[in-house]
Amino acid sequence: DAKTTQPPSMDCAEGRAANLPCNHSTISGNEYVYWYRQIHSQGPQYIIHGLKNNETNEMASLIITEDRKSSTLILPHATLRDTAVYYCIVRVANTGFQKLVFGTGTRLLVSP
Amino acid sequence: DVKVTQSSRYLVKRTGEKVFLECVQDMDHENMFWYRQDPGLGLRLIYFSYDVKMKEKGDIPEGYSVSREKKERFSLILESASTNQTSMYLCASSSGTSGSYGQYFGPGTRLTVT
Repeated sequence: DAKTTQPPSMDCAEGRAANLPCNHSTISGNEYVYWYRQIHSQGPQYIIHGLKNNETNEMASLIITEDRKSSTLILPHATLRDTAVYYCIVRVANTGFQKLVFGTGTRLLVSP
Repeated sequence: DVKVTQSSRYLVKRTGEKVFLECVQDMDHENMFWYRQDPGLGLRLIYFSYDVKMKEKGDIPEGYSVSREKKERFSLILESASTNQTSMYLCASSSGTSGSYGQYFGPGTRLTVT
């Protein structure tokens, strides 16, 4: 699985958009980009994933650059409850052994 | 909404006890997973199952066993608990055989073995 690089921390004001970047310059053609987050003392939460097209769901939007070497997770109107560690993962979608490996992630702090 | 529930949020057991951790998902997912999460070590896969009665070892299966008698339920068993099994245990489930779907996690069980 390709390696990802994320900033260790980011701040965001409540109500503003939070844009979390992820670099994955060694991504290969069959690897997806996944985003998860983990709020303190809770289990990780799946947010969104994509291959090459931009994706949007009720939680967030995922923008993947045309060369697929980086992506941005967008929380359009951040709330205090979005304070969490956000993990960007790149992995091949295949059957069988599907373990997740989290890196150090980005600690997002949403302030009033 | 996908819901993955775990039997306990906090559990304290003594060394040598047999410990059962239960996980139930309500979305008819084929795949279920048990991880443990420790500071500095991240998430580590213990076992996973892609069908009823099927199980596969993950990275750290020693000291653990699992059971999947029904599609919605995946149990983790610590045969004889030891202090180095003190950890946060996380259950997850995912859909389909393509592997492209996200994994949905339960709230976790924080197990302390004394």
